[in-house]
Amino acid sequence: DTEVTQTPKHLVMGMTNKKSLKCEQHMGHRAMYWYKQKAKKPPELMFVYSYEKLSINESVPSRFSPECPNSSLLNLHLHALQPEDSALYLCASSPGTGEETQYFGPGTRLLVL
Amino acid sequence: EDQVTQSPEALRLQEGESSSLNCSYTVSGLRGLFWYRQDPGKGPEFLFTLYSAGEEKEKERLKATLTKKESFLHITAPKPEDSATYLCAVRNTGGFKTIFGAGTRLFVKA
Repeated sequence: DTEVTQTPKHLVMGMTNKKSLKCEQHMGHRAMYWYKQKAKKPPELMFVYSYEKLSINESVPSRFSPECPNSSLLNLHLHALQPEDSALYLCASSPGTGEETQYFGPGTRLLVL
Repeated sequence: EDQVTQSPEALRLQEGESSSLNCSYTVSGLRGLFWYRQDPGKGPEFLFTLYSAGEEKEKERLKATLTKKESFLHITAPKPEDSATYLCAVRNTGGFKTIFGAGTRLFVKA
């Protein structure tokens, strides 16, 4: 099973709202990732967690706050977003053991009004 | 600086017309080269991982090959359902960051 699940599938929020995106995998992977993807562009890396510790933060604005409660779960907390943050947010995981193929979830389509 | 360039940007084929997509890369030390398929509004679907020059992998109508500077994704007798964006990505030996190319949008007409 190579499934990564993400909730919600769609999210509409105002600029003053606080919301969270959730990601879950049960493949025993120890690395998890958040990506942002705009239309007709490749995924852009935001954060990487390795063994539940944040190992990469690609200079993402503080209005995005990642959290890794355990090795199977990854959250992305959103606060005071801007309309330009509207995008497809993708979660991925990889074994974290040298075999680094990443498996992606279906994404959350976010619209900021 | 690690870099991935895919060509062409878009490719239009007739059903059954075989072709190849190119992925050129520069990386300090290759840990893996990855091919993904992505349908509009969905997450990338994993296709292949290649690790060293000379390696080849096949899956149905797709075959991926790797040299020291580029990778090809060969599509044999494509069908309309093969229409998608194909993404190439590389990871170097230094860490967790994966560099994606801009993708090739493939359109297969019946």
